[in-house]
Amino acid sequence: EPEVTQTPSHQVTQMGQEVILRCVPISNHLYFYWYRQILGQKVEFLVSFYNNEISEKSEIFDDQFSVERPDGSNFTLKIRSTKLEDSAMYFCASSETVGAMDTQYFGPGTRLTVL
Amino acid sequence: ELKVEQNPLFLSMQEGKNYTIYCNYSTTSDRLYWYRQDPGKSLESLFVLLSNGAVKQEGRLMASLDTKARLSTLHITAAVHDLSATYFCAADGGATNKLIFGTGTLLAVQP
Repeated sequence: EPEVTQTPSHQVTQMGQEVILRCVPISNHLYFYWYRQILGQKVEFLVSFYNNEISEKSEIFDDQFSVERPDGSNFTLKIRSTKLEDSAMYFCASSETVGAMDTQYFGPGTRLTVL
Repeated sequence: ELKVEQNPLFLSMQEGKNYTIYCNYSTTSDRLYWYRQDPGKSLESLFVLLSNGAVKQEGRLMASLDTKARLSTLHITAAVHDLSATYFCAADGGATNKLIFGTGTLLAVQP
């Protein structure tokens, strides 16, 4: 069964460093998302992406964040200068369309630890 | 702004018992989702509910939707230990289908 994959599974970085989190969505999916989950809290929407551009972003997704689909398979989230509060699990998700029955499929997540 | 609330936050059940998790959302939403999350793992889709009165069942889990009350329920029948996990509801937040998640319910089924 097709699945969303993410790398790395765990990333440790120093405050102020740049990190890139990578995702490979399901191959025929057209809509891509990033969410984050701070330890013990609920899952929060960051950004949605379609047709090579951001379609919606949350307040969390400030100028330090960017997303890119550099080729036909990868979808990346970049944090330019990490802060302690960026420590969280980051989930990538994809869906085929945004139609009635479409479900977003989530990847296994990348745990980001900022020291 | 769409907000989603779940209760209870924590639920300790004995095996064999029934219980219900409640999910309220604040504004109109086209779809309501239920996900399961095991510790340290990703989110597994359980149900998508579209219309008022929709009911879906999978094994010991049954989800329903009342769009007029803006309420969805996840009913657990005769709980077993394998159902121990955190359950999230999420409402469709608009045209891009972003998901707005509830706070989650940590379900612990005790033998």
